[in-house]
Amino acid sequence: AQSVTQLDSQVPVFEEAPVELRCNYSSSVSVYLFWYVQYPNQGLQLLLKYLSGSTLVKGINGFEAEFNKSQTSFHLRKPSVHISDTAEYFCAVSENDYKLSFGAGTTVTVRA
Amino acid sequence: EAQVTQNPRYLITVTGKKLTVTCSQNMNHEYMSWYRQDPGLGLRQIYYSMNVEVTDKGDVPEGYKVSRKEKRNFPLILESPSPNQTSLYFCASSLSGRARRGYTFGSGTRLTVV
Repeated sequence: AQSVTQLDSQVPVFEEAPVELRCNYSSSVSVYLFWYVQYPNQGLQLLLKYLSGSTLVKGINGFEAEFNKSQTSFHLRKPSVHISDTAEYFCAVSENDYKLSFGAGTTVTVRA
Repeated sequence: EAQVTQNPRYLITVTGKKLTVTCSQNMNHEYMSWYRQDPGLGLRQIYYSMNVEVTDKGDVPEGYKVSRKEKRNFPLILESPSPNQTSLYFCASSLSGRARRGYTFGSGTRLTVV
């Protein structure tokens, strides 16, 4: 069965500093991996996804993630954050391309 | 504008009083789904629908009902709400249900049951 663990529940970071959000998944088969972002008082938006091919995936707003099959990880990074990146970030996994399982979320707070 | 619309955004109700949260999408998507979001638990799927008149249970269906009589609408029904159903609810849709295509989410409904 698929499952996702986000290793950090809260990540405070200063503006223009880099940030990394960690995500590990569990599955016995090949998976699709996703990062969604939820800005305050809004629904979730897709940031990026890994389906196959290159393990480094680039998404919107300068975010990127790296798929590591041996470590079953899909960590999200941004080299320089802005105040507007303050949000909750969810890692998600899908084994069969239908059911999507979400992690518990990581709250990123960017301070000036 | 392509969107998923949920109503109401906020709802406070009393235990046992039936309520319906509406969800409508204007993208002709076949697949629709309901999630609840709770602190420390992320999003958990309640029910989903692959097409009109086709619905199925997700991970946490107890205490909820859904219907899909039209393609665009997918209401969530709580026949007898209880305090443990206090949560933030999201409706989502996608063209074919394929996760790879990404889901479009509504803005959420914050429900409080007292």
